[in-house]
Amino acid sequence: KAGVTQTPRYLIKTRGQQVTLSCSPISGHRSVSWYQQTPGQGLQFLFEYFSETQRNKGNFPGRFSGRQFSNSRSEMNVSTLELGDSALYLCASTQDRVNTGELFFGEGSRLTVL
Amino acid sequence: AQSVSQHNHHVILSEAASLELGCNYSYGGTVNLFWYVQYPGQHLQLLLKYFSGDPLVKGIKGFEAEFIKSKFSFNLRKPSVQWSDTAEYFCAVTTYNQGGKLIFGQGTELSVKP
Repeated sequence: KAGVTQTPRYLIKTRGQQVTLSCSPISGHRSVSWYQQTPGQGLQFLFEYFSETQRNKGNFPGRFSGRQFSNSRSEMNVSTLELGDSALYLCASTQDRVNTGELFFGEGSRLTVL
Repeated sequence: AQSVSQHNHHVILSEAASLELGCNYSYGGTVNLFWYVQYPGQHLQLLLKYFSGDPLVKGIKGFEAEFIKSKFSFNLRKPSVQWSDTAEYFCAVTTYNQGGKLIFGQGTELSVKP
């Protein structure tokens, strides 16, 4: 079974630009969560989607948004990029209808904002 | 707000030494507890979990963790570490009504000298 796939793996943007990251969950998994990982703040929850609906949301500004498609693939978008958005963005999926926190993570998309 | 505290940021051990990594959380209700591990160059993966029942849980690769409710702790242990255990270890907690919103500790980097 293929794991969680994230694209692109690496990208460089400049301040003010926007970026879209993609995540394909493990086949059969309907819940997709996104996390931001930085050296200073560690791993922080962004949001979770289940059956195309945002089910939970972290404490990030509105510049961070996401969506989920009918095939469970998910995208997250960050608009008006700031230097502090440089981070590893992790996607995770689970097959549980009730997300217990037992997640399967992708390798992440590393975003550098210049 | 919920929080997770890992006491050690960087631990250096020799092979065959015993390991104990501390984790404390702040939440008075029912929690699900996890240890995730990130080996160099690999994705974050589940090491072990506690939902309910026996407070001593066993995970992969000989790791175990003990949930002590009165101390709000979930410490990770391994009797004899190997060089291949070199990785970053994250303690995480979620509650039933938070679904997949994992709150992570800052992580502990473990270096095992051969």
